[in-house]
Amino acid sequence: EDQVTQSPEALRLQEGESSSLNCSYTVSGLRGLFWYRQDPGKGPEFLFTLYSAGEEKEKERLKATLTKKESFLHITAPKPEDSATYLCAVQESDFNKFYFGSGTKLNVKP
Amino acid sequence: DTEVTQTPKHLVMGMTNKKSLKCEQHMGHRAMYWYKQKAKKPPELMFVYSYEKLSINESVPSRFSPECPNSSLLNLHLHALQPEDSALYLCASSHPTGFGLNTEAFFGQGTRLTVV
Repeated sequence: EDQVTQSPEALRLQEGESSSLNCSYTVSGLRGLFWYRQDPGKGPEFLFTLYSAGEEKEKERLKATLTKKESFLHITAPKPEDSATYLCAVQESDFNKFYFGSGTKLNVKP
Repeated sequence: DTEVTQTPKHLVMGMTNKKSLKCEQHMGHRAMYWYKQKAKKPPELMFVYSYEKLSINESVPSRFSPECPNSSLLNLHLHALQPEDSALYLCASSHPTGFGLNTEAFFGQGTRLTVV
């Protein structure tokens, strides 16, 4: 059973067109939820950590939020350089183990 | 500094070769990880070291042999690999759970491995 599910699989936006990516999870005892950005052929780049429901983090055009069952990555007025695959990962309590979702591939057209 | 350094960046090896991948971090992290990533798939956990001891092996074939010589270094020894083992191999490090907050993992840029 998948513990982390991301949607949509792919998202095409026009530059400036805001949208949200979803990450839903089923792990019990969430230790943390993490968002990463990955460019082709590169390692994932850390963006945010969220630890508890109601928490929000922001960085430039990105804002991550967390509820008890899901997280959203909101992208405001995206630019072409925001094009990448966005990965969500969760960590269960007391385990040094990160479960990754399958990612959302974002393409922002100029 | 949040850098994890992996070498080599690219590796081509034959099925009878022995090679090693190397990973280094200087963030004081005591949990280190090997992941395997195939094209258009998420990273797949292989091994976890916690305080230099192997704590998780995700049923990885014995042709992959991890080693953690000290708290900054992580190696992955490769022997008798198959073409289907070709992938991007990623190293990551983090503070271990129980350390407090800030347990996010930082990844290296990976080694692109091709088995011929």
